[in-house]
Amino acid sequence: DIQMTQSPSSVFASVGDRVTITCRASQDIGNWLVWYQQKPGNAPKLLISTASTLQSGVPSRFSGSGSGTDFTLTISSLQPEDCATYHCQQTDNFPRTFGQGTKVEIK
Amino acid sequence: QLQLQESGPGLVKPSETLSLTCIVSGGSISVSSFYGAWVRQPPGKGLEWIGDIYYTGTTYNNPSLKSRVTMSVDTSKNQFSLRMTSVTAADTAIYYCARTSRGPVTKGRFDPWGQGTLVTVSS
Repeated sequence: DIQMTQSPSSVFASVGDRVTITCRASQDIGNWLVWYQQKPGNAPKLLISTASTLQSGVPSRFSGSGSGTDFTLTISSLQPEDCATYHCQQTDNFPRTFGQGTKVEIK
Repeated sequence: QLQLQESGPGLVKPSETLSLTCIVSGGSISVSSFYGAWVRQPPGKGLEWIGDIYYTGTTYNNPSLKSRVTMSVDTSKNQFSLRMTSVTAADTAIYYCARTSRGPVTKGRFDPWGQGTLVTVSS
């Protein structure tokens, strides 16, 4: 199985801060990496696919980058509505696997 | 707009069978691009893929769940189902259904998701 490791597990930041979340795969997955946002009590929502393609309707302050084994989700200017848990997932191979999640909170 | 909704018992006894159904509206599951998927999330923990099913009945299961999982599809009702046998407290989780696909760009991603249903395993 491909192991996905996210860091940090939680981040506290101020409104307007730049926030960066990292996801590392245990083997090369090309750009087959997606990011989800999950707000408390809700299902995950697809944010970014193929490592860097923003889904329709997602604010442009979100961006994704990386390929191979190392990937990054960046929020350029944190807003209160961005408080959520962010999950990465590899879509390269079966079984599909997720990172453990990163909780983003406002200071 | 495609919508998915899970239904099933919220409480299952240990050693018994968990059964859930995902009702799909706003589109047909009998199209080449549609695969149904199940993902679960234990309270306060991360996401775990359970498996995918195609409308023809072809399935792809997570080996970690071994032979406890069976998935089926009913195209006449536009829904797909999950059965998990011999459940224990470790199977307590929010269970989500979602659409996935095998497309050249969309493969493997889950979108959209149902709202999820909490299944508690307890006597």
